[in-house]
Amino acid sequence: DSGVTQTPKHLITATGQRVTLRCSPRSGDLSVYWYQQSLDQGLQFLIQYYNGEERAKGNILERFSAQQFPDLHSELNLSSLELGDSALYFCASSVKGTGVPTGELFFGEGSRLTVL
Amino acid sequence: GQNIDQPTEMTATEGAIVQINCTYQTSGFNGLFWYQQHAGEAPTFLSYNVLDGLEEKGRFSSFLSRSKGYSYLLLKELQMKDSASYLCAAFNQAGTALIFGKGTTLSVSS
Repeated sequence: DSGVTQTPKHLITATGQRVTLRCSPRSGDLSVYWYQQSLDQGLQFLIQYYNGEERAKGNILERFSAQQFPDLHSELNLSSLELGDSALYFCASSVKGTGVPTGELFFGEGSRLTVL
Repeated sequence: GQNIDQPTEMTATEGAIVQINCTYQTSGFNGLFWYQQHAGEAPTFLSYNVLDGLEEKGRFSSFLSRSKGYSYLLLKELQMKDSASYLCAAFNQAGTALIFGKGTTLSVSS
């Protein structure tokens, strides 16, 4: 158990809909990262928050948005869903946001999104 | 820019040794990571190299050559449970996020 909690574990929805994925980082971790993993693309970095502020952006679509709340939990909002958005969405946390010696990320179990 | 390359698939037999290679091109360098991911599960941290050389951790070792932009993960005394995807990763230029390669799927057979 990494200590990172993601909900829901599974989600099935229809095209055009909107969903929210939630992540609670490990106790004491200030940074939250969101990744998307689909079969043909590998683990794609979406966005990072550090202590409530957006720190880095990766290949995140404009239909997707995220935020980190004062209690450090984070939500990833996916809207106008398309079939291609079906994937496993991982949240990870670490203590600091930039270039620490270990930089180890602790991953949650993921939220599997299926868009029909 | 950033580019991380590793083989897509490898196969090996129980008890054998396998080496998974990774080449990377990054604008800045803050270390090279290896993660293990079993199908449908979360990635788990295996190793981190920031200096050249070999880091050994039990059956797993990781090597880094910064001048060549090259790393490998060495798995010894392979077991069936080692069948998984092995992900090579490096920090982005700003050092704010880990960027992963597409992973190498290792299949261990008896």
